[in-house]
Amino acid sequence: QSVLTQPPSVSGAPGETVTISCAGSGSNIGANYDVHWYQQLPGAAPKLLIFADTNRPSGVPDRFSGSKSGASASLAIAGLQADDEADYYCQCHDTGLSGFVFGTGTKVTVL
Amino acid sequence: EVKLVESGGGLVKPGGSLRLSCVASGFRFSSDRMDWVRQAPGKGLEWVASISGGSTYRHHADSVQGRFTVSRDNAKNLFYLQMNDLRAEDTAVYYCARVKGAFYGMDVWGQGTTVIVSS
Repeated sequence: QSVLTQPPSVSGAPGETVTISCAGSGSNIGANYDVHWYQQLPGAAPKLLIFADTNRPSGVPDRFSGSKSGASASLAIAGLQADDEADYYCQCHDTGLSGFVFGTGTKVTVL
Repeated sequence: EVKLVESGGGLVKPGGSLRLSCVASGFRFSSDRMDWVRQAPGKGLEWVASISGGSTYRHHADSVQGRFTVSRDNAKNLFYLQMNDLRAEDTAVYYCARVKGAFYGMDVWGQGTTVIVSS
């Protein structure tokens, strides 16, 4: 039962910027817990893309950026490329669950 | 190389049991929290359970509470998920993941092991 809401899909042409939203509540993002983002390519395990709202792990291109405001967070992908086609998930701790909660997931399509 | 490898998945009848294992290598296993995450066919990611480095803290999702138990053996770099009273809705790919701290998210993932619950 996801309590972080994402749009089911977003799309853009190569080179464009797309943004994925992640809407939470006062028990998770709004409680100022760190938000993380994952990329899942078809048939693969998820990969950490952004940690603690805005930080990129080593090796992740700076085309990917994260932000947070209030009870929501966003992931932006600039300079969209064909191999960015994947599912993207936000994640945050939730006090009600005593563990992590994932977003509903967003499929990014490159037109 | 930091690596996680799951095993133990398979086909099981409703009401049956399975134990998943995850072997860790390339890092100080006993220092890090470990989590299980699952993904039902065609669905999103669902957090299942977590255990702290010294096994002091264990948490399970409401959907598996009372049926699944997370544990670890730091001497063997092994992490487990005991699954009892399995239901059709537990059918999923199960991933183990390292959580160095809530600040860092799940930075290392295994390749996943598939559990199918069907009669």
